[in-house]
Amino acid sequence: SQQGEEDPQALSIQEGENATMNCSYKTSINNLQWYRQNSGRGLVHLILIRSNEREKHSGRLRVTLDTSKKSSSLLITASRAADTASYFCATEYGAGSYQLTFGKGTKLSVIP
Amino acid sequence: EAQVTQNPRYLITVTGKKLTVTCSQNMNHEYMSWYRQDPGLGLRQIYYSMNVEVTDKGDVPEGYKVSRKEKRNFPLILESPSPNQTSLYFCASKALGGYEQYFGPGTRLTVT
Repeated sequence: SQQGEEDPQALSIQEGENATMNCSYKTSINNLQWYRQNSGRGLVHLILIRSNEREKHSGRLRVTLDTSKKSSSLLITASRAADTASYFCATEYGAGSYQLTFGKGTKLSVIP
Repeated sequence: EAQVTQNPRYLITVTGKKLTVTCSQNMNHEYMSWYRQDPGLGLRQIYYSMNVEVTDKGDVPEGYKVSRKEKRNFPLILESPSPNQTSLYFCASKALGGYEQYFGPGTRLTVT
């Protein structure tokens, strides 16, 4: 399986702090995406990084990709209580493939 | 409003009683997919469809059927549900030219 693995499984921080989540995967990918899931609800796409990119920003989100280490990180700066959710990385791989393989997620708790 | 809808949202049933979970999207997306989410296992793909009348197995297809007779609909069928199919199910859709998957709100299924 191409499944990514997030690290840590759970993270608890104070409001205003930065949160960093990591994702590792097994083989070459086309792109890597991060999704957010509020408790028991559908996933929402946050950001995509292509295999030829090393860093992307979107608002308070910063994503890095290291294809040599087969890893990615998601940084949320100046966290807010509303950022409390589970975060999943998902990899798309294979020529002409449209399938996403999801990791098991990092559960982030931001304490007000 | 662009959205993916699923029905029912909650379902409790008994072993062996056939059921169908409906999924519909209004974005004219070609790609649709079903996932199940279980604690500690993340999201796993059950079936996907690249277009009308084109379906294929994901990682965990056993015990499930799908059909894609219309572009907007992608029902998930459990012919003879068993307790190990108790899970949270998500439908998702995506345009073939895009990357982001749009998720439905989820269907929580309990099989007793």
